[in-house]
Amino acid sequence: QSVLTQPPSVSAAPGQKVTISCSGSSSNIGNNYVSWYQQLPGTAPKLLIYDNNKRPSGIPDRFSGSKSGTSATLGITGLQTGDEADYYCGTWDSSLSAGHVVFGGGTKLTVL
Amino acid sequence: QVQLVQSGAEVKKPGASVKVSCKASGYTFIGYYMHWVRQAPGQGLEWMGWINPNSGVTNYAQKFQGRVTMTRDTFISTVYMELSRLRSDDTAVYYCAREVSLDTAMGAFDYWGQGTLVTVSS
Repeated sequence: QSVLTQPPSVSAAPGQKVTISCSGSSSNIGNNYVSWYQQLPGTAPKLLIYDNNKRPSGIPDRFSGSKSGTSATLGITGLQTGDEADYYCGTWDSSLSAGHVVFGGGTKLTVL
Repeated sequence: QVQLVQSGAEVKKPGASVKVSCKASGYTFIGYYMHWVRQAPGQGLEWMGWINPNSGVTNYAQKFQGRVTMTRDTFISTVYMELSRLRSDDTAVYYCAREVSLDTAMGAFDYWGQGTLVTVSS
């Protein structure tokens, strides 16, 4: 069972917009930055968003991130078939003395 | 360009140890913390810990305390992750992943190795 809660799956049609939620607590999302990753089948995860809403160079602005309280959201607009992947949220968790990284269980995006 | 190249797949028996390497290039090796993340077949991501390549200081996830050791060799820009007393549920793809922020651990990873499959089977 993951510390961060994500919906197991979401779906939308090409060209549409989708959002993926990530829910946590005050020890993780509430007081730390959130990052988002895209994992295509058989490949390593790829960073899409860090520090809640920053995009690394090369990531299109179709991908956006936001945070409010103990929840975060990944938004993807202009959906493409190539966006079909698993998406994970991650953040630092301060509940233990040394701190640690926690992830959501992942959300499978299907582009219908 | 930044690259993280990991060692090849391993098959180990229960109770054995495995050591996975991750060679970094294209950036200042000692400037960025390196994390290890694993993914069991069909499962999500699980963080194992980080190492500061500059000082060698480590921080391990509580679950792996006593079984994992992360080290580095600054001369060849390589970090290592050794997991001992392997069990069948340690079967997973193990990734090294570079911290996005310079000289700190914020828990965001901008470059990942290609992954190393470790299979634990009798």
